[in-house]
Amino acid sequence: DAKTTQPTSMDCAEGRAANLPCNHSTISGNEYVYWYRQIHSQGPQYIIHGLKNNETNEMASLIITEDRKSSTLILPHATLRDTAVYYCIVARSGSQGNLIFGKGTKLSVKP
Amino acid sequence: GAVVSQHPSRVICKSGTSVKIECRSLDFQATTMFWYRQFPKQSLMLMATSNEGSKATYEQGVEKDKFLINHASLTLSTLTVTSAHPEDSSFYICSARDTGGYNSPLHFGNGTRLTVT
Repeated sequence: DAKTTQPTSMDCAEGRAANLPCNHSTISGNEYVYWYRQIHSQGPQYIIHGLKNNETNEMASLIITEDRKSSTLILPHATLRDTAVYYCIVARSGSQGNLIFGKGTKLSVKP
Repeated sequence: GAVVSQHPSRVICKSGTSVKIECRSLDFQATTMFWYRQFPKQSLMLMATSNEGSKATYEQGVEKDKFLINHASLTLSTLTVTSAHPEDSSFYICSARDTGGYNSPLHFGNGTRLTVT
């Protein structure tokens, strides 16, 4: 599976949009971009995933560049409860494979 | 959405004893479940892949005789830490994917905090 690069940490003001970048320049054509987050002392929570089109659900939006070498997770109106470590993971979908976690981005939402 | 339930959420045991952790998929079936371990301030590391009806496969460096995995049904996998020692203290997390769901993501339990005294 392709490797991803994320900033170690980011801050965001409460109520503002949080934009979390991820680089995955070695992504293969059949690999998806997955985003998870882990709030302290909890298991990872699935947020969203996509292949090449932008995706939106009730939690977030995922913007994938046309060359698919990078993506951005957008939390439109961050709240204090969105403070967590956010993981960007690239993996094939539809398989029985596991996910490989990197260090992620520690997002701190501040009042 | 798919729910993975893990029990217990935290356990304290004495060195030398064994601890069993359960992982259940509540509203879907999973032929494969994954067990991860997370030490403080580190990311999740895959320990083993649990396969329903067959033997688990373990990652390099994970002792299969110490971390016993049983996947007896399509909704239940168990991890038993045998003869636990303080260095086994960690956060153990299971995950599963809906086998019957196309393009379904991996879902995680809420983890089990194991403390060995």
